[in-house]
Amino acid sequence: EPEVTQTPSHQVTQMGQEVILRCVPISNHLYFYWYRQILGQKVEFLVSFYNNEISEKSEIFDDQFSVERPDGSNFTLKIRSTKLEDSAMYFCASSEARGGPSYEQYFGPGTRLTVT
Amino acid sequence: KQEVTQIPAALSVPEGENLVLNCSFTDSAIYNLQWFRQDPGKGLTSLLLIQSSQREQTSGRLNASLDKSSGRSTLYIAASQPGDSATYLCAARGLNYGGSQGNLIFGKGTKLSVKP
Repeated sequence: EPEVTQTPSHQVTQMGQEVILRCVPISNHLYFYWYRQILGQKVEFLVSFYNNEISEKSEIFDDQFSVERPDGSNFTLKIRSTKLEDSAMYFCASSEARGGPSYEQYFGPGTRLTVT
Repeated sequence: KQEVTQIPAALSVPEGENLVLNCSFTDSAIYNLQWFRQDPGKGLTSLLLIQSSQREQTSGRLNASLDKSSGRSTLYIAASQPGDSATYLCAARGLNYGGSQGNLIFGKGTKLSVKP
């Protein structure tokens, strides 16, 4: 069964460093998302992406964050200068369509980012 | 602003028991509602998606219901098994926010423990 994959599973970085989290969405999906979950808290939406541009972003997604689809399979989240409060599990998700049953979002296993 | 609440935060039941997990949302103008399972340190597995026009969805031992007017959804698990132990999250996608691609607003989850 097709699934969303994410690499790495765990990333440790020092404050102020840049990190890139990578995702491979399900191949026929057109809509891509990043969410994050700080330990013990709710899953929070960061950004959605369609047709090579951001379609929506939350207040969390400030100028330190960027997303890119560098080729036909990968979807990346970059944090330019990490802060301690960026430590969280980051989930990538994808969906086939914008509405109906095909809207169902499928999540990857997550990347645990630890900023020291 | 949509708020999603799940009660109880934790639930422990003996194996074989039928159980109900509750999810409430403040804005009834939702597009759909999705239930997920999350195992410790792992990603989100989609269990069921209910469109706003539906009242329930079934998959195996799971049945999810949706009552938009009261702002509630329930996840019914029949004949619970120790393997059902996990955190169950509900997430709502609204009509009035999130754009056409839409983002999900999550509850904090119910941690279920099924004792053998």
